[in-house]
Amino acid sequence: NAGVTQTPKFQVLKTGQSMTLQCAQDMNHEYMSWYRQDPGMGLRLIHYSVGAGITDQGEVPNGYNVSRSTTEDFPLRLLSAAPSQTSVYFCASSRTPGPQETQYFGPGTRLLVL
Amino acid sequence: GIQVEQSPPDLILQEGANSTLRCNFSDSVNNLQWFHQNPWGQLINLFYIPSGTKQNGRLSATTVATERYSLLYISSSQTTDSGVYFCAVERGSYIPTFGRGTSLIVHP
Repeated sequence: NAGVTQTPKFQVLKTGQSMTLQCAQDMNHEYMSWYRQDPGMGLRLIHYSVGAGITDQGEVPNGYNVSRSTTEDFPLRLLSAAPSQTSVYFCASSRTPGPQETQYFGPGTRLLVL
Repeated sequence: GIQVEQSPPDLILQEGANSTLRCNFSDSVNNLQWFHQNPWGQLINLFYIPSGTKQNGRLSATTVATERYSLLYISSSQTTDSGVYFCAVERGSYIPTFGRGTSLIVHP
């Protein structure tokens, strides 16, 4: 049972490039989400999904796309990277939606946009 | 939107000491959670505590929703308690608001 996995661990992009951050979980969780964490800040929700085929926007969705074609995978796409997207990105999952459920976090992806 | 303030921002302790971390929020909330981020960046849920008191080993948390604050108590601190502690509140949507965290260093 690997839990929540994220790839890559670290990525450098040039402004305007696109990329996909991968997130997978093997716990058959319904709920998955993406956060970003900037230095000295708490997490901010980018997008979330309450099940396969269902996604919704969080607090800071601009510049990011998501899809959920399977229960296991929830990739985050940066369409045209900007320096403001330099951050650490965390994927999380829980059995069902709602804060009463324990969330399991991936190890994070550190992204630098030049 | 709702404001979340955590105090103190930084805390340095000797192993074995006790500490209290505070989370104030500016409006009524439906849900409140505490998280720990270790020095290597890994995040874990500590408590889901919209009201009342919960305990888990050396950690306990109390939320007084009517007065808009929550407290996290760490007793007999250990070096493994080091890291950043976040509280996050939510008002009935799936979108939490996180505080900036309290950074804790526990020296042996």
